Amino acid sequence: RKEVEQDPGPFNVPEGATVAFNCTYSNSASQSFFWYRQDCRKEPKLLMSVYSSGNEDGRFTAQLNRASQYISLLIRDSKLSDSATYLCVVSQGSARQLTFGSGTQLTVLP
Amino acid sequence: GAVVSQHPSWVICKSGTSVKIECRSLDFQATTMFWYRQFPKQSLMLMATSNEGSKATYEQGVEKDKFLINHASLTLSTLTVTSAHPEDSSFYICSAPTGTDTQYFGPGTRLTVL
Repeated sequence: RKEVEQDPGPFNVPEGATVAFNCTYSNSASQSFFWYRQDCRKEPKLLMSVYSSGNEDGRFTAQLNRASQYISLLIRDSKLSDSATYLCVVSQGSARQLTFGSGTQLTVLP
Repeated sequence: GAVVSQHPSWVICKSGTSVKIECRSLDFQATTMFWYRQFPKQSLMLMATSNEGSKATYEQGVEKDKFLINHASLTLSTLTVTSAHPEDSSFYICSAPTGTDTQYFGPGTRLTVL
């Protein structure tokens, strides 16, 4: 079983749509959680950290359920520029090593 | 904000040659840096942890004699792919953690071995 599993995708949605990505992780010792965005042939860039209380950054909302070991990302009012691969990432904290999910590809269509 | 650079951004080489990739933290010191590899349509896989002044720690299945890592200063780590073969063709990305729990990634190096 992979340490971090994500929706296989790809997701193709129209502009303005709301889209949700799900992610589960297997290591209960994981302490930090993130969503990264990766554009084609580029490095990953941090989209947002994910906190137990849930957090929002503009059109993006992240949720964490430690009991279920489940992370989600909600994108509202999708823009063309949101097209990318979204990576669910966990860390064991002190080791600062990141474990990446396989990513979910999103294409926002005009 | 913190920036990590990599050089070269892309390289094409013949099978059997060695390729060195540099990773630099530009405005902060990094005692630890991470090297990842990403094959097409796959996610990033951690190869090794580079430690300034000591030996690198390699992930299971990564040959330390093939992927030589040197972290000689607080701002520079190098990855040398020795005797590269076509199956080593990949996107190599380094990262450096900041004082918080986040990491900054270099722009990556695309290696093609003919």
